[in-house]
Amino acid sequence: KAGVTQTPRYLIKTRGQQVTLSCSPISGHRSVSWYQQTPGQGLQFLFEYFSETQRNKGNFPGRFSGRQFSNSRSEMNVSTLELGDSALYLCASSLEGTQTGGYTFGSGTRLTVV
Amino acid sequence: AQSVTQPDIHITVSEGASLELRCNYSYGATPYLFWYVQSPGQGLQLLLKYFSGDTLVQGIKGFEAEFKRSQSSFNLRKPSVHWSDAAEYFCAVGSNNNDMRFGAGTRLTVKP
Repeated sequence: KAGVTQTPRYLIKTRGQQVTLSCSPISGHRSVSWYQQTPGQGLQFLFEYFSETQRNKGNFPGRFSGRQFSNSRSEMNVSTLELGDSALYLCASSLEGTQTGGYTFGSGTRLTVV
Repeated sequence: AQSVTQPDIHITVSEGASLELRCNYSYGATPYLFWYVQSPGQGLQLLLKYFSGDTLVQGIKGFEAEFKRSQSSFNLRKPSVHWSDAAEYFCAVGSNNNDMRFGAGTRLTVKP
């Protein structure tokens, strides 16, 4: 079966712009989580969605937002981009959450803010 | 919230030697524990997981990990390392709140 698909793979944006990243989970998976990975901060939890509802949120400013559609596909949006937002953004899907076996990760979207 | 510590930032082992990567967690209840591996520029691949039951769990690529509640540890082991094992390894702890927290990672270098 197809894995977790993230688009685009690479993105270059200018400071102050906004960006939308997309994630298509494994078919049948209803939980989608987003992580930011940087060399300095490592893997940081952004938020988790289940059945179109945000269930959990990490410690990120309100510029970071997300949503999930009825087909479980998810998008995350970052507004007013800052240089520090440059990172690898990883999406992960699971049947229903952590307790159902852990998450399968996509290959990520590499965002560069200039 | 739960947290994970991976004490070793970088480990170098010779090919064919044994490997142990350390992981300590902090969580008030029984945790869900995971080990992931990441190759450069790629996403994370699940190596193994512990939910309950047998404290020694087997994973893919010949890896195993042992859950020790008394030490709050979940160390990853492999009896004989291959050059293709060079990568970054992440320990993670999950909870019923569905937010999985990762350690800082351990970078493994394999010497020929």
